[in-house]
Amino acid sequence: AQSVTQPDIHITVSEGASLELRCNYSYGATPYLFWYVQSPGQGLQLLLKYFSGDTLVQGIKGFEAEFKRSQSSFNLRKPSVHWSDAAEYFCAVDGGYQKVTFGTGTKLQVIP
Amino acid sequence: DTAVSQTPKYLVTQMGNDKSIKCEQNLGHDTMYWYKQDSKKFLKIMFSYNNKELIINETVPNRFSPKSPDKAHLNLHINSLELGDSAVYFCASSQGRSRNTEAFFGQGTRLTVV
Repeated sequence: AQSVTQPDIHITVSEGASLELRCNYSYGATPYLFWYVQSPGQGLQLLLKYFSGDTLVQGIKGFEAEFKRSQSSFNLRKPSVHWSDAAEYFCAVDGGYQKVTFGTGTKLQVIP
Repeated sequence: DTAVSQTPKYLVTQMGNDKSIKCEQNLGHDTMYWYKQDSKKFLKIMFSYNNKELIINETVPNRFSPKSPDKAHLNLHINSLELGDSAVYFCASSQGRSRNTEAFFGQGTRLTVV
C-alpha cells in the first residue's frame, strides 16, 4: 500500500530565509507526486506535481520540488519565504484510480 | 466565480441527527470526490464519482451516502451523526481519471457534532 510521510509537523522560518519541507513516500511503481498548500479556512491548492521527466519540478508561487527515487523523497523548496507562505503544506502520492494518499501535513510559520 | 463550492461552510449539529453537505463544481469536470480531514489534519479520501458512477468507496460507514444527481454535483448525506464524524469535509473535482490530473478542492465544511 502506498504511504506518505512528512516528518516535520511544524516549521518556523524567518521571512526571506530559504525553506525545505520534507516528504518521503512509499509506492511500488513510479509514483505520481503532488504538493498542495492549504491556507487557513481554505481548500487545498496544487503547488506542483511530478509524474515523469525532469526530476526538478517548478511550481507556482516560486516553489520547486525535487524527486529523488533513491531516497524515495519529494522535498519542497523555496529560496526566499514570504509572510504569505504561512500555511499548511501537504505532500501526496497517487497510486492510481484517483486513490491519492496525503501526508499529515507540515505547518509553516513565517516570522518577521 | 468559485470553481468548487460547498455548503454549508460550518455545520454544528447534535448526535443522532441526519445532515447533508452539498458540493457543486462549475469546471465541467467529470470526476468528483469527498475527503475527510480529521483533527490531526489527516486527509483521507472517502468517495470518488466519475460521470455519476461510484468509483471509489473507501472503508466508510454506510451512514455516509454520497449522491450525484449530475456530473456537476456530489452531495454527502450523513445519517445518525456521531461525535467521531466531527471533521472538515472537502469536496474536490478533476477532469478524467488519469494519475496526473490535478484535483480542485472546495473550501471545506467544518462539521461539529455535539
